[in-house]
Amino acid sequence: GAVVSQHPSRVICKSGTSVKIECRSLDFQATTMFWYRQFPKQSLMLMATSNEGSKATYEQGVEKDKFLINHASLTLSTLTVTSAHPEDSSFYICSASKLARKTQYFGPGTRLLVL
Amino acid sequence: AQKVTQAQTEISVVEKEDVTLDCVYETRDTTYYLFWYKQPPSGELVFLIRRNSFDEQNEISGRYSWNFQKSTSSFNFTITASQVVDSAVYFCALSEVRDDKIIFGKGTRLHILP
Repeated sequence: GAVVSQHPSRVICKSGTSVKIECRSLDFQATTMFWYRQFPKQSLMLMATSNEGSKATYEQGVEKDKFLINHASLTLSTLTVTSAHPEDSSFYICSASKLARKTQYFGPGTRLLVL
Repeated sequence: AQKVTQAQTEISVVEKEDVTLDCVYETRDTTYYLFWYKQPPSGELVFLIRRNSFDEQNEISGRYSWNFQKSTSSFNFTITASQVVDSAVYFCALSEVRDDKIIFGKGTRLHILP
């Protein structure tokens, strides 16, 4: 086990709209979920860490009002990109880890294109 | 501060050759975890291995092997008899005990040529 899904896999939206990305752990309870952003040919950049039932912890330089994260249950976290702009276009990846475990299991990613 | 360095940005080898991907890390902690992930063209990161800092035994899994050397702060990854399907970006990563974050290296893009 340790399967993580993301939905949608790909989204194209107009500038100014908001986009919600879902991350689900399918066969385990994820006490902690992480959201990353990856630009082409670059490494993963951690955006925020979210624990179920509490506010997300954002990395320095990440706007929390721009990237809203909700971790409402042990199997679901959502990332909402509010008022998206073309510079928000990127590959967003979530990961989940089990209680007291260090290994993160990654979702398949969501490609966001803002026109 | 913690840091992961993958000096090889891109490697190309012919199929069936062996290839080693280098990883050097920095940490002030005595207890930490090291990882390797594979990212194929589809984009999904695939977990390959996790190593605890107190376990320096090398590991082999099929064509994959890992060499962990604390003395040189290295955690290298070798693919034996490479195949075209091994073409991907490989990330080495580090996590300290104090928090759940994983710090990734910049990745090594591996091309296996037929």
